[in-house]
Amino acid sequence: GIQVEQSPPDLILQEGANSTLRCNFSDSVNNLQWFHQNPWGQLINLFYIPSGTKQNGRLSATTVATERYSLLYISSSQTTDSGVYFCAVERVGNFNKFYFGSGTKLNVKP
Amino acid sequence: NAGVTQTPKFRILKIGQSMTLQCAQDMNHNYMYWYRQDPGMGLKLIYYSVGAGITDKGEVPNGYNVSRSTTEDFPLRLELAAPSQTSVYFCASSYSESYEQYFGPGTRLTVT
Repeated sequence: GIQVEQSPPDLILQEGANSTLRCNFSDSVNNLQWFHQNPWGQLINLFYIPSGTKQNGRLSATTVATERYSLLYISSSQTTDSGVYFCAVERVGNFNKFYFGSGTKLNVKP
Repeated sequence: NAGVTQTPKFRILKIGQSMTLQCAQDMNHNYMYWYRQDPGMGLKLIYYSVGAGITDKGEVPNGYNVSRSTTEDFPLRLELAAPSQTSVYFCASSYSESYEQYFGPGTRLTVT
């Protein structure tokens, strides 16, 4: 398989603060996705980002594939951003087999 | 579009019983996946399918079976349930491996 490490494991923010979540992976990947799991368990796809930078509203993500990491930025956090953020990767040559990190649990306080 | 639907939402099984978790999608996606999520952990891939009639094992396939007779449906079969299979099961689909995965709401399974 491939090792996927996310940091920090837990994060507490005051509403309005910014944060950066990190995903490191141990091998070359051809697919990387970020997901948000809300407190009710629903998983929502945030970004498909095997390389480069994307932005969607207050969220943006950057993947530097050559250095084997990806970053998820959350700006002006809101209480609705609370939940667990996962990255998932598909290793080059290991098609369709996605490996998830253990997640970053975010708690945004009002 | 309903997206990805899963039934049942909850189920309690006795050790040794069998059951089928249902998953359906109405987005005409070719790729479908089954994952399990244990408490406080990330998801682990059980099986996946790249189209009707084509399935393959993921990271943790033991104790499970799948079939894909149509594009829409991808059921997961548990034979001889064991306590280690207590988990939340998620089904997902995507147009291909280079597209976003969309998840169903999950099935919470307890084996006692």
